[in-house]
Parts: sequence; structure tokens; C-alpha cells
Amino acid sequence: ETGVTQTPRHLVMGMTNKKSLKCEQHLGHNAMYWYKQSAKKPLELMFVYSLEERVENNSVPSRFSPECPNSSHLFLHLHTLQPEDSALYLCASSQDLIIGTSGEETQYFGPGTRLLVL
Amino acid sequence: GQNIDQPTEMTATEGAIVQINCTYQTSGFNGLFWYQQHAGEAPTFLSYNVLDGLEEKGRFSSFLSRSKGYSYLLLKELQMKDSASYLCAVGWGSTLGRLYFGRGTQLTVWP
Repeated sequence: ETGVTQTPRHLVMGMTNKKSLKCEQHLGHNAMYWYKQSAKKPLELMFVYSLEERVENNSVPSRFSPECPNSSHLFLHLHTLQPEDSALYLCASSQDLIIGTSGEETQYFGPGTRLLVL
Repeated sequence: GQNIDQPTEMTATEGAIVQINCTYQTSGFNGLFWYQQHAGEAPTFLSYNVLDGLEEKGRFSSFLSRSKGYSYLLLKELQMKDSASYLCAVGWGSTLGRLYFGRGTQLTVWP
């Protein structure tokens, strides 16, 4: 248990569906992240939020829409996905955002949502 | 991204020592992390290096040379449960919060 939870753990959806992934962190951290992990590819950063403000959007297609209503919760809204979007979606959080200071920027990951788009 | 390179696969036997190397582009470097990821699970944090030298944590140690753009993760007294993917991740100063991950090294420990 890292203190970061994600629901659902598994999701199967059609290309016309709309669904949302939820992430909650119980660590009192200020920054939260969405990552995509596809088979045989490095982890790819999708979005970064700091104190509920989006600070990075890594050229992610608009069919992925993040929402951060407060510093403990992060959502990823999905609509009209493609089969190539099938992957493990990981949420992470960290105390600080700036890497290279105290180690407080260490990111802790949730268990992930395994998404299959048919 | 950022030319992070680590071996794809390694194998070793129980009780042995294994060293997993990671090289990266040095310009703008701000810190290096090692994560362990078992199949179907989330990455878990192992170590963080920002200064040159060796950081030891029980059976695991991580080394960093900033001038050479080089790190390694050393695993001692290997156990079967150490079979996992080991991810090297690097942060660069100009990109807040962004970690660039290598593809991971799949370690298999044999009895």
C-alpha cells in the first residue's frame, strides 16, 4: 500500500463509451500525475497537477480529459477512445514538484487501472 | 525520452549479486530514481540519487556519477521475489515534475 488508490482496477469499454478513472491519495501530497504504460514502452507522463492547477499536458489527445477537484483527488475522463489506448493507467503523487531538491519530489504510484478498448 | 538506456533483460540465481546499469543524457540533470515493478502491479520506489556516490538501503544500493551520466542499482543476496522489472527514471530541471522513464530491465531470479 503506497497511500494512492485507483478505481476501477480493470475496465473494458467500447469506442463510443464514456468512462472515468479515479485516483485518491491519502498522503497529503501537493502534486498528482497521470501516466500511461503500454506493453514494451516506457512509462509516459500524460498530465501533471500541482495544488489543483494543471502544470503540464504532454500533447495528450483530447479524448483524455483530466480533472483535479482538490489536492487529494484526480480523475481521468475518457471518451471515444481507440483500441491503441488500451494500456495500464497509473496515478502517482508527490509532496513537491521540483525535482532535485530534498527527495520530497519522489513519486508514489497507485495500483493502476488496466484498460481495454474494444 | 532523454536517451535513458538500460538493459532489457537480466537473469541471476538466488543468493547472487546483480548490477543493473542506466545511462542518461547529462544536460540539465536533476535527480535519478529507481523503481521496482512486479508484473501487473504499480511501480514502487526503491531509491533516489541526486549527488554522486553510493546510497545503500539494505540489500539494495544505488550509485550515481553525474559527470558520466551513469547510475547502477545493485541487488545483493538475491531472492526469488526480486524477479521484477526495474525502472530507471530521470528528472530534468527545466520540466517541473516530469520524470523520464527508461524501458525497464526485466530481472529473472532462478533457484
